[in-house]
Amino acid sequence: DAMVIQNPRYQVTQFGKPVTLSCSQTLNHNVMYWYQQKSSQAPKLLFHYYDKDFNNEADTPDNFQSRRPNTSFCFLDIRSPGLGDAAMYLCATSSGRGTGDEKLFFGSGTQLSVL
Amino acid sequence: AQRVTQPEKLLSVFKGAPVELKCNYSYSGSPELFWYVQYSRQRLQLLLRHISRESIKGFTADLNKGETSFHLKKPFAQEEDSAMYYCALSGSNTGNQFYFGTGTSLTVIP
Repeated sequence: DAMVIQNPRYQVTQFGKPVTLSCSQTLNHNVMYWYQQKSSQAPKLLFHYYDKDFNNEADTPDNFQSRRPNTSFCFLDIRSPGLGDAAMYLCATSSGRGTGDEKLFFGSGTQLSVL
Repeated sequence: AQRVTQPEKLLSVFKGAPVELKCNYSYSGSPELFWYVQYSRQRLQLLLRHISRESIKGFTADLNKGETSFHLKKPFAQEEDSAMYYCALSGSNTGNQFYFGTGTSLTVIP
């Protein structure tokens, strides 16, 4: 089945140690998103790529970066994780074709712990 | 700025009872509203969207622009409806972005 795959499911890192979360998709979608979700809070959009065009949310900290080397893969890099960055990170895709049929397809998420 | 509000964090109803999950939004322009659902140990997935005017698993939602609401309703709740429900918004002003409410955890009591 076509899907959005996130690895790993659980990630533990140390305070200040760079960490990378990965996402891949087999849907051939134009748009890939990264959301951060903390306990009992709304998924918060960090940024998204439309093809190779990177779109950062205004309130996303500089500590968070992203790369999209090709259509299928997108990475979330946290340069110096702090305790406040512990959260579930959700990757999602949408076709971006503006057909009025837009919807998000989510991965299972990566639960990040910072020690 | 766009905002999605779900006033109820937790909602419990008995099986067979009607259920309504509330969603209000603020948006300047024509929004597209969605309900996403997350069942236990599953990924977040689309339940329904206002543009389709569809009923999915017995759920319906009507966009009320006057009240800026998009409440999710089902006349007879089932145990399998127990899940986390998120209201989400997109639209021409937000580009490709989707913005979510904080979610409502629905428990259907047997």
